[in-house]
Amino acid sequence: NAGVTQTPKFRVLKTGQSMTLLCAQDMNHEYMYWYRQDPGMGLRLIHYSVGEGTTAKGEVPDGYNVSRLKKQNFLLGLESAAPSQTSVYFCASSRIGTASSGANVLTFGAGSRLTVL
Amino acid sequence: KQEVTQIPAALSVPEGENLVLNCSFTDSAIYNLQWFRQDPGKGLTSLLLIQSSQREQTSGRLNASLDKSSGRSTLYIAASQPGDSATYLCAVSYYGQNFVFGPGTRLSVLP
Repeated sequence: NAGVTQTPKFRVLKTGQSMTLLCAQDMNHEYMYWYRQDPGMGLRLIHYSVGEGTTAKGEVPDGYNVSRLKKQNFLLGLESAAPSQTSVYFCASSRIGTASSGANVLTFGAGSRLTVL
Repeated sequence: KQEVTQIPAALSVPEGENLVLNCSFTDSAIYNLQWFRQDPGKGLTSLLLIQSSQREQTSGRLNASLDKSSGRSTLYIAASQPGDSATYLCAVSYYGQNFVFGPGTRLSVLP
């Protein structure tokens, strides 16, 4: 039972390069999220999705794009990387339902550490 | 702006002590509140989720309470162990979907 898998785990980019982070979950969760974690800033929501084919902006969406073409996958793209995007990126997922069924509990991936030079 | 704060930022205790971590949130109209544990270089692991209608949740040595009216939650850890050393984060959801995270409390339990 893999849960939430993020690839790659580490990446170094030069300013201006583009890349995509992949998040895959095998729990049939409806909701998926991308967060970034920076020292002293905590976790901040970048984009999220409430279902296949839908995406929405979070707190810090600028410079990022996302897509959710399949329910199990949520992609985070950086079109033109900047040093300010150096961070650890976390994907999470949750399912809708009643509290007694364990819904709304966030399951996180292990993180992707991105450095932009 | 909805904000979540956690006190203390860091805590060091000897093994066996009972301890309390605090979480405060500015907007009391929450949907639920969740406590997480994060080990260095790892992702977050959910510990407890409290619905807005609940007062507390328990799991083993952990007990989380919620007081919506005062905008506070506490995580009580009984009989702490070195394996409890980690960063503990609380997160508040206002719409059942998105969570606003606190900065975390870094806990060290000394053997």
